[in-house]
Amino acid sequence: KAGVTQTPRYLIKTRGQQVTLSCSPISGHRSVSWYQQTPGQGLQFLFEYFSETQRNKGNFPGRFSGRQFSNSRSEMNVSTLELGDSALYLCASSLVLGAENTGELFFGEGSRLTVL
Amino acid sequence: GNSVTQMEGPVTLSEEAFLTINCTYTATGYPSLFWYVQYPGEGLQLLLKATKADDKGSNKGFEATYRKETTSFHLEKGSVQVSDSAVYFCALIVETPTGANSKLTFGKGITLSVRP
Repeated sequence: KAGVTQTPRYLIKTRGQQVTLSCSPISGHRSVSWYQQTPGQGLQFLFEYFSETQRNKGNFPGRFSGRQFSNSRSEMNVSTLELGDSALYLCASSLVLGAENTGELFFGEGSRLTVL
Repeated sequence: GNSVTQMEGPVTLSEEAFLTINCTYTATGYPSLFWYVQYPGEGLQLLLKATKADDKGSNKGFEATYRKETTSFHLEKGSVQVSDSAVYFCALIVETPTGANSKLTFGKGITLSVRP
């Protein structure tokens, strides 16, 4: 069974640009979550999508957005990039039954974004 | 709000030493508790979990017991190996009937290095 796939793995952008990251969940998983990992703040929740709907959102500015497609694949977008957006962005999928989330997430290897 | 506090790191141990990594939490509601591990160059993986008080999660020789009275979920292993070198994250999730609070809250993580 293929794991969670994130693309691109590495990217470099400059301030003010925008970036789109992609995530393909494990087949059959309907929930996709995004996390930002930095040395200073650790792992911080960005948002979660379930059946194409944003179900929960963390405390990030509106520059961070996402969406989920009918095949459960997800994208996140960061507009007007700032230096502080440099981070490892992790996508995770989970098998959700109804509204329940067991917290058992399967993570991808992440997309490492560097903003210059 | 919800939060997870882990002991400061890094931790360096010799092979076959006993390991304890402390984790305490605060939560609004009844959380499920998790330990995730991130091996070098890989994504996070679920190591073990416990969903109710006094439950013991175990996997790969690691154990953690859900202690509601002390709001703790300390990770232990009787004899560590070099292959256990990784970053360990304690996490919690609090469910609501609608699944609206479905995000994982992580601690900052602790790096474990095991020397031969």
